[in-house]
Amino acid sequence: NAGVTQTPKFQVLKTGQSMTLQCAQDMNHEYMSWYRQDPGMGLRLIHYSVGAGITDQGEVPNGYNVSRSTTEDFPLRLLSAAPSQTSVYFCASRGLAGTGELFFGEGSRLTVL
Amino acid sequence: AQRVTQPEKLLSVFKGAPVELKCNYSYSGSPELFWYVQYSRQRLQLLLRHISRESIKGFTADLNKGETSFHLKKPFAQEEDSAMYYCALSGRETSYDKVIFGPGTSLSVIP
Repeated sequence: NAGVTQTPKFQVLKTGQSMTLQCAQDMNHEYMSWYRQDPGMGLRLIHYSVGAGITDQGEVPNGYNVSRSTTEDFPLRLLSAAPSQTSVYFCASRGLAGTGELFFGEGSRLTVL
Repeated sequence: AQRVTQPEKLLSVFKGAPVELKCNYSYSGSPELFWYVQYSRQRLQLLLRHISRESIKGFTADLNKGETSFHLKKPFAQEEDSAMYYCALSGRETSYDKVIFGPGTSLSVIP
């Protein structure tokens, strides 16, 4: 069972570069979300989506864009990377009818120089 | 606004001792509370949720709406409990509510 798959696992960027973190899930979950994990800050919600074509901002959305064209995919775009975006990023999904449990990807470690 | 606080960043206990990880929340509606755990080199995973009122790996947590708390407890800590623990909150009014996490507590169980 693949579950939630994130790519890449590691990435190094220079300030100002752009990139996309990919997230795919094969559980037919309506809800998908992106978090960043920083020491002492825990997991902070960046953006989330409750279905194809529907996205909303979380706690720390600035500097990030998302789109949801299919149920399976929820990419996170950094248009102009900044050192403050150095972090570990997690994608998570859950079904809207169910236990409410979030299923997480393995994480993507991003370093912006 | 939803908010979750976990006052202890680090918690060290001896093996066999009781452990309590604190979680407090603020939310104007009806909350759904969760505890997630991240073991070393593993994915974040659900430990337990308040609705199920079950004990997982010896851990329990009770929702106290009066004190707006959802503390995680275990009577006898084991070395394999060493991990990062996150308290999380979602609304129950709709299934579309976002999930907000606290800052986490790193638990270290000393042999």
